[in-house]
Amino acid sequence: AQKITQTQPGMFVQEKEAVTLDCTYDTSDQSYGLFWYKQPSSGEMIFLIYQGSYDEQNATEGRYSLNFQKARKSANLVISASQLGDSAMYFCAMREGPYNFNKFYFGSGTKLNVKP
Amino acid sequence: EAQVTQNPRYLITVTGKKLTVTCSQNMNHEYMSWYRQDPGLGLRQIYYSMNVEVTDKGDVPEGYKVSRKEKRNFPLILESPSPNQTSLYFCASSPGATLEQYFGPGTRLTVT
Repeated sequence: AQKITQTQPGMFVQEKEAVTLDCTYDTSDQSYGLFWYKQPSSGEMIFLIYQGSYDEQNATEGRYSLNFQKARKSANLVISASQLGDSAMYFCAMREGPYNFNKFYFGSGTKLNVKP
Repeated sequence: EAQVTQNPRYLITVTGKKLTVTCSQNMNHEYMSWYRQDPGLGLRQIYYSMNVEVTDKGDVPEGYKVSRKEKRNFPLILESPSPNQTSLYFCASSPGATLEQYFGPGTRLTVT
């Protein structure tokens, strides 16, 4: 079974609107971490946001927030007020614990296009 | 400047010719990892290292070797490359496995 599933291969959003990128995960561990990374067309991987499985509040970093629904095993990324520079691939990732906490799993990504 | 460097950035080689992709970080991070990125598959972990002389397999270790003799360096070795190892490779490091990873710029490898 896939550890991380991103069901939206591509998405469009109008500039200045909010957009939600979906991510579901599969783990039987109680302790795990969830990450989102951005990969612009230049290729580098940029860390955006982190959520620990025991964190009670949803993580936020500037215009990025993580909508963490533990019971549904979902960790959606919300980008508010989209900008043209947000056009990129976005990857959801998970680190499992406690016995495999050094292993990371990435989803297949969502390509976001922001329209002017 | 804190960074992860990889060399070479681009490499075209032939089947069976041994190659090494170097990875170095200047942040004194304990954790380092190698990934390959293929279209539609995202990133898949090849090997990781929790500290000097401590390495373990990720999801797709077949055909690859690593070593961690110094904290800053984590080279990826392909003893006998095959065309199915054509991919974009990323090295990453972090202060610990639970924290964000800093990625290198990537190495695009083509095996013909």
